[in-house]
Amino acid sequence: DIQMTQSPPSLSASLGDKVTITCQTSQNINKYIAWYQQKPGKAPRLLIGFTSRLVSGIPSRFSGSGSGRDYSFSISNVESEDIASYYCLQYDNSPYTFGAGTKLELK
Amino acid sequence: EIQLQESGPGLVKPSQSLSLTCSVTGYTITSGYDWSWIRKFPGNKMEWMGYISYSGSTNYNPSLKSRISITRDTSKNQFFLQLNSVTTEDTATYYCARSRGSPGAYWGQGVMVTVSS
Repeated sequence: DIQMTQSPPSLSASLGDKVTITCQTSQNINKYIAWYQQKPGKAPRLLIGFTSRLVSGIPSRFSGSGSGRDYSFSISNVESEDIASYYCLQYDNSPYTFGAGTKLELK
Repeated sequence: EIQLQESGPGLVKPSQSLSLTCSVTGYTITSGYDWSWIRKFPGNKMEWMGYISYSGSTNYNPSLKSRISITRDTSKNQFFLQLNSVTTEDTATYYCARSRGSPGAYWGQGVMVTVSS
């Protein structure tokens, strides 16, 4: 299985900040990484697919980049509605595997 | 509007089978996509469990392969998860989702299943 090392586990930000989450994979995943947002009691919400493709309707303050084994996800100008947990998922090789998650909190 | 909804018992005894249904409206499951099950454990770890494709083929997480079965009833536009010989470690919130590679924009709201005697 491909291992996903997501960091940091938690993040504290002020409104308007830019935050970045990284996922390092145990092997090249050819950019097949997605990023999800999850709020308590809700299903995960797909934000970005294939490293950097923003899902329709998702604000442009969310972005993703990377290649090979190293990927990142950023939120510029953090808003209060962005307070949630974020997960990466590789879907290059089955079984698809998730990162451990990052909890974004307000400072 | 495409909607997915999980249903099933919220409490299962150890060693028994967990059976969940995902009812899909707004899209026919034989028209395309993979139809997945994902779970989130109490400690927030997430696990992709497997899927059934629009053609009926399946792909399971090998960590579950001996215990998991994903099937469908095309007449009802539903797909199902069966997980056998459950233990307390199978306590989780279970989600169904429409997928193409990664689980996409359409998920059920999730159903919490507790394994306990």
